[in-house]
Amino acid sequence: GAVVSQHPSWVICKSGTSVKIECRSLDFQATTMFWYRQFPKQSLMLMATSNEGSKATYEQGVEKDKFLINHASLTLSTLTVTSAHPEDSSFYICSARDSGPTSGANVLTFGAGSRLTVL
Amino acid sequence: KNQVEQSPQSLIILEGKNCTLQCNYTVSPFSNLRWYKQDTGRGPVSLTIMTFSENTKSNGRYTATLDADTKQSSLHITASQLSDSASYICVVAPTGFQKLVFGTGTRLLVSP
Repeated sequence: GAVVSQHPSWVICKSGTSVKIECRSLDFQATTMFWYRQFPKQSLMLMATSNEGSKATYEQGVEKDKFLINHASLTLSTLTVTSAHPEDSSFYICSARDSGPTSGANVLTFGAGSRLTVL
Repeated sequence: KNQVEQSPQSLIILEGKNCTLQCNYTVSPFSNLRWYKQDTGRGPVSLTIMTFSENTKSNGRYTATLDADTKQSSLHITASQLSDSASYICVVAPTGFQKLVFGTGTRLLVSP
C-alpha cells in the first residue's frame, strides 16, 4: 500500500534556529500534501495544503513566513519552522494524496509524525 | 458548519472485552468516512473507509458501521488486545477535494 515517510521523527533545537521536516511519498506521486499540527490529547489541526509546483495554501491563523512549505517534486514536501520558539514545540504530521489514475478520490496516507521540541 | 463529534472522549476496558466508539457528523455534502488508529507519538493509520452507499466494513477485529441518514458511525472492536490502546479518530471527507473534517478522537486504554 501507499507509504509516506516523514523525517526526522523527532528533533530538539534551540530557540531561534530553523528546523526542516521532510515528507516523502515512497511509492506514489502526490500533487497535494497536507501539513498538520497536533497538541497533546487534541486532534490534528490542518496548517496548510502543499501543492506541487505552486504556493502552499495556509489555514487561517497560520503564519506563512514562519512555517515555510516547499513542494518541489511529486514525492517531496518540506516544512521549515523558521526562528523556532518554545511555543512551536508540537507534533507535526504530514499526509499525501495519491494522484495516480488508479487511486480513489481523497485517499490520504499519513506520515509517522515529527516531534519538535524547542528549548 | 462541518463538524465531527466523537464519544466517549476516553474509555478504559479490560483485555478481551468488546467496545464501541461513536462518531456523529454534520458534514455535507458527504463523500466518505474513515476511522484511523493513532498510537501515541505516531501518525494516524487507516482502519476503514466507507462511502455513502456502504453501511458496514470490517478490518480484522475492527468493524465500522455507517448510517448516512442519521449521520452516525460506530467503530466496534472485538476481543480487545493491549495493543489496541490508542486514539481512534473519525474523519469525514466532503465531496470533491475539500478539506477533511477531523473528530477529536476517543482515547482507548485496554487494561490487562
